[in-house]
Amino acid sequence: LAKTTQPVSMDSYEGQEVNITCSHNNIATNDYITWYQQFPSQGPRFIIQGYKTKVTNEVASLFIPADRKSSTLSLPRVSLSDTAVYYCLVGGYLDTDKLIFGTGTRLQVFP
Amino acid sequence: NAGVTQTPKFRILKIGQSMTLQCTQDMNHNYMYWYRQDPGMGLKLIYYSVGAGITDKGEVPNGYNVSRSTTEDFPLRLELAAPSQTSVYFCASSPRGEKLFFGSGTQLSVL
Repeated sequence: LAKTTQPVSMDSYEGQEVNITCSHNNIATNDYITWYQQFPSQGPRFIIQGYKTKVTNEVASLFIPADRKSSTLSLPRVSLSDTAVYYCLVGGYLDTDKLIFGTGTRLQVFP
Repeated sequence: NAGVTQTPKFRILKIGQSMTLQCTQDMNHNYMYWYRQDPGMGLKLIYYSVGAGITDKGEVPNGYNVSRSTTEDFPLRLELAAPSQTSVYFCASSPRGEKLFFGSGTQLSVL
């Protein structure tokens, strides 16, 4: 399973765009990249998943370069409610039977 | 939509006691997982299961046991509770191992 590295923490202000980068140098060919969000006292919640290039949903965008050794979660115009811990996971469909979380990135949004 | 349900939500144990944390899902997912999360830390995988009758160890299995007799249920057993097992426990399920759905967690204190 590919190991991931993320910044420990980030600060932002309301209305700004936040980009959180995750490094996964030993990603395998069949691995997908998935991001989760966790609020205090809650279980993590799925945000977005991608394999290559760019994926966008109603919550975030995920940018993946051609070599797939990193990925960037982009949160447009953050609000106070986006204050949370964000986790990047790398693993494959079907043949992945372990999903191991790293330490995540603690995002603090200020008014 | 119930999703993943964990019981109890809170529990206090004395050192040496045993208990079972219950987890059930109604999404017919094959994959199920148990994680623990210590204060301010990331999630550590305890045990996982890829289907009824199949379980395997994760990162931190010592002091825990699991069983998977049905697709829906994945109970976690703590034998001889120790203070080091004070943590928040999350159960998760996944259809193919690619996207996790988490329960709301069980906060356990061992005193």
